[in-house]
Order: sequence, then structure tokens, then C-alpha cells
Amino acid sequence: AQTVTQSQPEMSVQEAETVTLSCTYDTSESDYYLFWYKQPPSRQMILVIRQEAYKQQNATENRFSVNFQKAAKSFSLKISDSQLGDAAMYFCAYRADQGAQKLVFGQGTRLTINP
Amino acid sequence: DAGITQSPRHKVTETGTPVTLRCHQTENHRYMYWYRQDPGHGLRLIHYSYGVKDTDKGEVSDGYSVSRSKTEDFLLTLESATSSQTSVYFCAISKSGTGLEETQYFGPGTRLLVL
Repeated sequence: AQTVTQSQPEMSVQEAETVTLSCTYDTSESDYYLFWYKQPPSRQMILVIRQEAYKQQNATENRFSVNFQKAAKSFSLKISDSQLGDAAMYFCAYRADQGAQKLVFGQGTRLTINP
Repeated sequence: DAGITQSPRHKVTETGTPVTLRCHQTENHRYMYWYRQDPGHGLRLIHYSYGVKDTDKGEVSDGYSVSRSKTEDFLLTLESATSSQTSVYFCAISKSGTGLEETQYFGPGTRLLVL
């Protein structure tokens, strides 16, 4: 079974600085998808960024980018120019290419932004 | 935002009583999912549906049942609630089970407390 591990329960960063959240996963599949979701205090799950494993280029969405290392099974999220609104729980998630698109989530990292 | 609502949003119940949570979508998406969120575990899949009357078990299905009689509604039932089922429950939807760009979108969540 696939597993996703986020080894940093909590992280903090100064406003306007850059922070990187770590995620590793375990799978025997060659094709799959990886996601980062953000959960602010409202509890709403918000998609931040996604990566297809067959793409070598790292995904980027404005201030959010990933460092996808397929061989190392690593999928980190970099947030540049951190803003107060970035404070939230961040979840890394894995999805197999085939089947019912079930997501496997990591335990989450709580990110605090210091003004 | 994806048109997903969950009801009720908050519920307090007693051990041994039946509880039904409802997820309603206006997107006409084929796939619907129920997850539970607990501290230290991220989100875990309970059950999912791939069409009307078509459902399957997820990672933590014991003690739960589901039904889907209409495309837009997916019900999660706790037949006899236990304190271990105290959690936040999220519904999610997606267009299909395969495809390169499909993403799951989440409802606002239901907080359930079993006393």
C-alpha cells in the first residue's frame, strides 16, 4: 500500500521569507500524481499545486513551487514571499494513475507565519 | 468553488445512536468520497462511490455504510456511533477515476462529536 510521510509537524517562517515543506512517499507504481492541499482555520481543503509523475518539470503556481525528485520519492513544497494568509495546515497527497482516484494523505504540517 | 455542501455542519450525538451525514453536489461529478480527519493522521478514506448505487470500501470503513441513490447525493451512515468515530468528516468529488488532470474537490466538512 502507498504511504505518504510529512516529517515536520510544525514549521514557522518570517513574513516575506521562503519556506520549504517536506514530503516523502512510498509506491511501486511508475505513474501517479502528487498534490499539496492547504487547510486554513476555516477547515476548507484547498488545492495548492499538483504534479504528474511522468512530467520532469516541477510544477509552479505563482509563489508556490515543488521540488519533485522521483527517484528519491520526494515532493517538497516551496512557498516564496510568505504572506500571513499562507498560515495553515498543509497536506501532501498521493494518487495512483489507475483506479478510483483515491487520495492517500500525509499527516500534515502546520505552518505559522511570523509578522 | 465546487458546488459541494455537507449537512449537518456540526453534530453532537450519544454512543449507540445512528447518525447520517449528507453530501450534496451540483457538479454532476461521477465520483464521490468520504474521508475522516483526525489529529496525526491527515485524511483517511472511508468509502467512495463511482456511480449511482456503486460504492466501495476505503481504508477505514469499519462501522460505516454509504448509499448513493442519486448522482448528487452521497450519504454516510454510522449505524451505532462510538466515541472513536468522533472526527471531522469531509466529502469530496471528482469528475472521473482516470485522467491526467482530474482533481478532488472538498466540501466544508462536518464536525461530529460522539459522547
